[in-house]
Amino acid sequence: DTEVTQTPKHLVMGMTNKKSLKCEQHMGHRAMYWYKQKAKKPPELMFVYSYEKLSINESVPSRFSPECPNSSLLNLHLHALQPEDSALYLCASSQWDRGYNTQYFGPGTRLTVL
Amino acid sequence: GQQVMQIPQYQHVQEGEDFTTYCNSSTTLSNIQWYKQRPGGHPVFLIQLVKSGEVKKQKRLTFQFGEAKKNSSLHITATQTTDVGTYFCAGLGGSNYKLTFGKGTLLTVNP
Repeated sequence: DTEVTQTPKHLVMGMTNKKSLKCEQHMGHRAMYWYKQKAKKPPELMFVYSYEKLSINESVPSRFSPECPNSSLLNLHLHALQPEDSALYLCASSQWDRGYNTQYFGPGTRLTVL
Repeated sequence: GQQVMQIPQYQHVQEGEDFTTYCNSSTTLSNIQWYKQRPGGHPVFLIQLVKSGEVKKQKRLTFQFGEAKKNSSLHITATQTTDVGTYFCAGLGGSNYKLTFGKGTLLTVNP
């Protein structure tokens, strides 16, 4: 099973709202990722968690706050977003295996910020 | 930093014609991965190439990794309407976590 699940599928929020995106995988993968994808663009890496610890933050604004409660779950907490943050937010996971880091993507959450 | 260039940006073909997209990295890669994203969908992993000069086939799809491990290609023989989507290459370089994506090639197929 190479499935990564994400909820919700769609989210509309105002600039003063607080919301969270959730991601789950049951493949025993020890690395999990958040990507942001704008229309007609490739995914852009935001955060990487390895063994439940944040290992990469690609200079993402603090209004995005990641959390990894356990090895299967990854959250992205959103607060005071801007309209330009509207995008498809993708979660991915990979088995930590040096040099063979195939990443499996979830279906994404399509976020609209009003 | 590492850059991966992908061409063409768009390709429109008649059903039955062949299609190729090319990727070129500014640095040597440890591996390269290919993904397909259907319109409105999410990237779906197709294949990973690791060895210099490697060639892999999946039915009508042929993937190649260059001898210098800096370039790669995806060739589709006799395209079908189900091949429509954006094909991304993504290279893994010095970091074992960070994939550097090409900009993708959007393939449209006229039936």
